[in-house]
Amino acid sequence: DAKTTQPTSMDCAEGRAANLPCNHSTISGNEYVYWYRQIHSQGPQYIIHGLKNNETNEMASLIITEDRKSSTLILPHATLRDTAVYYCIVRVGGSSNTGKLIFGQGTTLQVKP
Amino acid sequence: GAVVSQHPSRVICKSGTSVKIECRSLDFQATTMFWYRQFPKQSLMLMATSNEGSKATYEQGVEKDKFLINHASLTLSTLTVTSAHPEDSSFYICSARDAGNKGRDEQYFGPGTRLTVT
Repeated sequence: DAKTTQPTSMDCAEGRAANLPCNHSTISGNEYVYWYRQIHSQGPQYIIHGLKNNETNEMASLIITEDRKSSTLILPHATLRDTAVYYCIVRVGGSSNTGKLIFGQGTTLQVKP
Repeated sequence: GAVVSQHPSRVICKSGTSVKIECRSLDFQATTMFWYRQFPKQSLMLMATSNEGSKATYEQGVEKDKFLINHASLTLSTLTVTSAHPEDSSFYICSARDAGNKGRDEQYFGPGTRLTVT
């Protein structure tokens, strides 16, 4: 599975949009981009995933560049409860998917009042 | 959303003893479960893949005789840390893959188990 690069930490003001970047320049055509987050001392929580089209759900939006070498997770109106470590993971999807998620170091997002 | 539970949430044991951690999928069937370990201020490290009805697949460097995994049913996987030592103290997290949710295929994580070996 392709490796990802994320900034170590980011700050965001409460109520503003949080934009978390992820580079995955070696991504293959059959690899999906997944985002999870982990609030302190809890298990990770699924946020969103996508292949090449932009995706939106009740939690966030995922913007994937046309060449798929990078993506951005957008939390439209960050709250203090969104303070967490955010992990961008790429892995193979479809029938050849082993299901394994390999976590990198992630981005620690601090939402400030 | 789907719920995965872990028991116990915290456990303290003496060096040399064994500890069993349970991971249950409460409202879905999971043919595959995963076990992770997380040390303070570090990311999650995948330890093994637990397959219902068959032997677990361990990641490189993980001792299969020390970390025994059993996945006897579609809703339960257990991790037993045998002859625990202080260096095994960590946060152990399981995840379960919904066998009937192939369309979305996200994994659901348990809340974790904090193991302290004294």
